Amino acid sequence: KQEVTQIPAALSVPEGENLVLNCSFTDSAIYNLQWFRQDPGKGLTSLLLIQSSQREQTSGRLNASLDKSSGRSTLYIAASQPGDSATYLCAVNRSGYALNFGKGTSLLVTP
Amino acid sequence: EPEVTQTPSHQVTQMGQEVILRCVPISNHLYFYWYRQILGQKVEFLVSFYNNEISEKSEIFDDQFSVERPDGSNFTLKIRSTKLEDSAMYFCASSNSVPYEQYFGPGTRLTVT
Repeated sequence: KQEVTQIPAALSVPEGENLVLNCSFTDSAIYNLQWFRQDPGKGLTSLLLIQSSQREQTSGRLNASLDKSSGRSTLYIAASQPGDSATYLCAVNRSGYALNFGKGTSLLVTP
Repeated sequence: EPEVTQTPSHQVTQMGQEVILRCVPISNHLYFYWYRQILGQKVEFLVSFYNNEISEKSEIFDDQFSVERPDGSNFTLKIRSTKLEDSAMYFCASSNSVPYEQYFGPGTRLTVT
């Protein structure tokens, strides 16, 4: 059974800092990995998708890496802003259909 | 930008009642999904649907649940006889291929009393 773990569970940083969120998964036989942002009481916004054959993806200030063999992904956020405050979720796709989510990292960026 | 929409945003129902949650996926997408998130817990996969058939379902998706694409635009999740433990946020998602990026709707908060 695929287990997805996100560390840390919560993180507070001052505005302007660069930060790294971690995601690990137990079964390396995945199709892809997707990072999401969830604001309180809201839906999930897709941030980045990394296919299993890729090592990293970039979108603006976000960079996600994937090391499939070691079962790890990181989400790097450059020059954090208060508007980045949200919960960040990592999800792996092992079956082609179902996403298996971690519990998320709750990020607070203070002005 | 195209987006997944869901109605209602909040539904309150009594235990034992049937509920139907509605979703309009992104128009050119062919694969549809339902997930749920119980308060304070992980987002959990329920079911995926393609070409009018269930392509995968989880252990959660038992006989109390069903899905349907009643027309060319809507995708529904029915819970036949709601239980207290069905209280959760239900998310619809869609993708235009598999395995590919899934786009989520804003969710329907279901409260069973």
